[in-house]
Amino acid sequence: EMQLVESGGGLVQPGGSLRLSCAASGFTFSDYSMNWVRQAPGKGLEWVSYISRSSSTIYYADSVKGRFTISRDNAKTSLYLQMNSLRDEDTAVYYCARDTNLDIWGQGTMVIVSS
Amino acid sequence: DIQLTQSPSSLSASVGDRVTITCQASQGITNYLNWYQQKPGKAPKLLISHASNLKTGVPSRFTGSGSGTHFTFTISSLQSEDVATYYCQQNDDLPPALTFGGGTKVEIK
Repeated sequence: EMQLVESGGGLVQPGGSLRLSCAASGFTFSDYSMNWVRQAPGKGLEWVSYISRSSSTIYYADSVKGRFTISRDNAKTSLYLQMNSLRDEDTAVYYCARDTNLDIWGQGTMVIVSS
Repeated sequence: DIQLTQSPSSLSASVGDRVTITCQASQGITNYLNWYQQKPGKAPKLLISHASNLKTGVPSRFTGSGSGTHFTFTISSLQSEDVATYYCQQNDDLPPALTFGGGTKVEIK
């Protein structure tokens, strides 16, 4: 079964940092680009970041540029999101999703930024 | 950036009704338009890619059509298990971004 499982969410103070992980299984991870998508409580979906298969191409939403860093380890079939300088408005469920068609999603991990 | 305007934002219909949602792009995206279903408390699920390609295993009552700037998503006969929020999403304009429509919440009358 193709699966993505996120971890690393939690409660953090404004200005703090958090690292999210996404473990992939059931497919050849290195064959696919990956994305992070978030959803604030009661709100719609917002794309956060994209990374190509070889990590050679990376894009970020303007709202996180300069604060978040996406990376991947194909040997470990894992995707990461390093989040620094966190703000209240970063509070959301964070999902990892496969390919730009977002055809497989994880279950999400909750990040709460609050003092 | 390309904007996607989805309408209506919510609707209420009876079981068996035909339900239609539209998604308007701010500029042409050929057929790079996907539709997702998100049930409460769950992750989104891809239903239709490239405007009209039904993902394997998705019931045939779900259909998509359109190209360029105007797209339509239809549930031919609404079922109780279709209660969810539906989103359109474009992947023609990366960079700078993948973008989503605002969502349509579908409820049973």
